[in-house]
Amino acid sequence: AQTVTQSQPEMSVQEAETVTLSCTYDTSESDYYLFWYKQPPSRQMILVIRQEAYKQQNATENRFSVNFQKAAKSFSLKISDSQLGDAAMYFCAYRSSWGNDYKLSFGAGTTVTVRA
Amino acid sequence: KAGVTQTPRYLIKTRGQQVTLSCSPISGHRSVSWYQQTPGQGLQFLFEYFSETQRNKGNFPGRFSGRQFSNSRSEMNVSTLELGDSALYLCASSFLEGLAGVLAETQYFGPGTRLLVL
Repeated sequence: AQTVTQSQPEMSVQEAETVTLSCTYDTSESDYYLFWYKQPPSRQMILVIRQEAYKQQNATENRFSVNFQKAAKSFSLKISDSQLGDAAMYFCAYRSSWGNDYKLSFGAGTTVTVRA
Repeated sequence: KAGVTQTPRYLIKTRGQQVTLSCSPISGHRSVSWYQQTPGQGLQFLFEYFSETQRNKGNFPGRFSGRQFSNSRSEMNVSTLELGDSALYLCASSFLEGLAGVLAETQYFGPGTRLLVL
């Protein structure tokens, strides 16, 4: 089974500053999918960004970007120009791209606080 | 396009009762997955359905079951409720035909059903 580790339970960032959330995973597969989801206090899980392992180019979505290091099995999320609305719990997730394993494996999450 | 909907949003039950939760996926999505979220165990996969067939099942007891209908709507049932079943139950849909790779496999979540077992 794949294990996803988020080593930072909490992170705090000043509004307009940048924060980076770390995520590592354990897998023996060569192709897979990685995701970051945001869960605000409403508990609605919102997709932030996605990445296919075979694509070396790091994904970017507006102020959100990832640093995907396949060899190191690392998938960090950078939030630039942080806004108050970015305050939420962020989950890193892994999904296999082959076989019959269709589930998302989640990390424990990182709570991001944005200071005004 | 409407998102994933889940009903009911909140539910209070007592131990020993059973409960049925419903999930309507995004229009055109054929896969529905269910997850349980608790403070202690985090997000755990329950099962996944595709075209009315269960393709994957997580490590949960047989009290947890589900099904999917021909219109892709899904239900999950928990029988003989225990206190430890109190959780947020999330449904996610994916797989819009015509897409491939990560676009097809991205799961979109509903708002969840919060179940409290007393």
